[in-house]
Amino acid sequence: KQEVTQIPAALSVPEGENLVLNCSFTDSAIYNLQWFRQDPGKGLTSLLLIQSSQREQTSGRLNASLDKSSGRSTLYIAASQPGDSATYLCAAVQGGSEKLVFGKGMKLTVNP
Amino acid sequence: NAGVTQTPKFQVLKTGQSMTLQCAQDMNHEYMSWYRQDPGMGLRLIHYSVGAGITDQGEVPNGYNVSRSTTEDFPLRLLSAAPSQTSVYFCASSPVLPPYEQYFGPGTRLTVT
Repeated sequence: KQEVTQIPAALSVPEGENLVLNCSFTDSAIYNLQWFRQDPGKGLTSLLLIQSSQREQTSGRLNASLDKSSGRSTLYIAASQPGDSATYLCAAVQGGSEKLVFGKGMKLTVNP
Repeated sequence: NAGVTQTPKFQVLKTGQSMTLQCAQDMNHEYMSWYRQDPGMGLRLIHYSVGAGITDQGEVPNGYNVSRSTTEDFPLRLLSAAPSQTSVYFCASSPVLPPYEQYFGPGTRLTVT
């Protein structure tokens, strides 16, 4: 059974820092890995999706990488801003299935 | 496109009452699913569907029913609400073709007293 872990559960940093958010998964037979952002009381917004054949994806200040052999994905946020404060979730789609398995998320606070 | 829509946004039920949470999408996605989100538990899959007329159970299906009569709609029914079903419910959809990118609705916050 696939398990997805995000450590730490919370992170507080000053504005301007470059951040690395970690996501690990136990079964490397994934089809893709998707990173989401969730603001308090809101739904999930898709940030980046990395297919198993890819090693990284970039969108603006965000860069996500995938290493299937080690069971890890990282989300890199450059020059963090207070507006980046939110909960970030990663989720893996298992090969042969459309079902997402979620980590429990990491709550990020960027202080001005 | 409206994307994935959910109604209602908030609902309070008494124990034993029934209700239906509505979910609709206008992206012609075959795959639709329901999750519940609880503090400390993350998002857990309740039920999913890979197309009209096809549904299956996820991780936590007990107490919930679904049906899929059209591609667009995937309602979630609570037959006899219990306090343990107090949660935030999210509906999601995706194509059944790669890369299976999933799109989420805004959620329904349900309280059962």
